[in-house]
Amino acid sequence: DVKVTQSSRYLVKRTGEKVFLECVQDMDHENMFWYRQDPGLGLRLIYFSYDVKMKEKGDIPEGYSVSREKKERFSLILESASTNQTSMYLCASSPAGGLNYGYTFGSGTRLTVV
Amino acid sequence: GESVGLHLPTLSVQEGDNSIINCAYSNSASDYFIWYKQESGKGPQFIIDIRSNMDKRQGQRVTVLLNKTVKHLSLQIAATQPGDSAVYFCAENGEYGNKLVFGAGTILRVKS
Repeated sequence: DVKVTQSSRYLVKRTGEKVFLECVQDMDHENMFWYRQDPGLGLRLIYFSYDVKMKEKGDIPEGYSVSREKKERFSLILESASTNQTSMYLCASSPAGGLNYGYTFGSGTRLTVV
Repeated sequence: GESVGLHLPTLSVQEGDNSIINCAYSNSASDYFIWYKQESGKGPQFIIDIRSNMDKRQGQRVTVLLNKTVKHLSLQIAATQPGDSAVYFCAENGEYGNKLVFGAGTILRVKS
């Protein structure tokens, strides 16, 4: 069964901490995405990557960075966590060359910044 | 199926009834659409998709209807079951065709 795995289901971090959210996929997908999900706002794209070492900003990149050193792993970094980054974070992947069946999502990481 | 403020629209149906969840998409250039289901504590799961050269597609107990004239998508669930309770949201492939744009979602509650 194909999988996108997010390393943590729940995280609690303090304001100002550097936070790493990890995502690994085992489907050999080229594309990987990080979204945040907030009530009533749907999924908003933070960053995405079409290939190793490539990254592009999504709609709300401010306060975040990403790293993709290997094809299967896409990390989201909060350089200095703030309370307004409390949210559900979802990682997704898809193969190159089309959107057949859309994205495969991980189970999400619920981050609380206190 | 459009969101208002921070509150998702909610559809409550009786077990066994049919459900219809609506979505107004935003980009007339979109030619691929997907419905996702998200259960509490889980990531979104693919339900069914449709391309713009079709106006209807059926799956197991689900049907997606596409009206390009008014940019409207609907998901019909037949004989709704308690396990169908979840947030449902649509996605379109947008202006560039290679990234999905998601709607805010609709909560489906199934009463036994």
